[in-house]
Amino acid sequence: DAGVTQSPTHLIKTRGQQVTLRCSPISGHKSVSWYQQVLGQGPQFIFQYYEKEERGRGNFPDRFSARQFPNYSSELNVNALLLGDSALYLCASSARQIGSSYNSPLHFGNGTRLTVT
Amino acid sequence: QQPVQSPQAVILREGEDAVINCSSSKALYSVHWYRQKHGEAPVFLMILLKGGEQKGHEKISASFNEKKQQSSLYLTASQLSYSGTYFCGTAATDKLIFGTGTRLQVFP
Repeated sequence: DAGVTQSPTHLIKTRGQQVTLRCSPISGHKSVSWYQQVLGQGPQFIFQYYEKEERGRGNFPDRFSARQFPNYSSELNVNALLLGDSALYLCASSARQIGSSYNSPLHFGNGTRLTVT
Repeated sequence: QQPVQSPQAVILREGEDAVINCSSSKALYSVHWYRQKHGEAPVFLMILLKGGEQKGHEKISASFNEKKQQSSLYLTASQLSYSGTYFCGTAATDKLIFGTGTRLQVFP
């Protein structure tokens, strides 16, 4: 079975532009979470989508948005890019919705490396 | 709210042991452990669900002290392949929160 796939793998944008990142979860997984990882730091939570609805949002500005499609794939959009948005963006899928009693692994894709110049 | 890990970095020779600690300011239902190699995605190692429970993965094991809101990851007889950054994760209302990370380097 294919794992979590993300595209593109690398992206270079200039300040003020907009970017769309894509993620396909493991077959049968209905939850997709997005994380931002700045070099040397742990992944920071951006969004969780489950059954095509937003179930959680991290402390990120409204420039960040996402959606989940009927096939459970997901897109992360970032508008008006800033230099500080340069990071590795990770998508993770899980079979169940993540909550305080969550006890299953998260399966990560290899990420999209975004560089804003 | 982010779990704090210690130490921040560890340097080992092959065959040596290491302990990585994870502490949370909030009550924990479970603790997850992941390893991330440079340039790669985090990979799941194990989940601990009960206080005092220990689980193992190869020569890596972990404990979870629910009362102290702490978990420790034990790496015994370390191998070169153990190099990477280790993250603990704690489940919250709508997300998994990752710790500050511990960078482990194993040299021959």
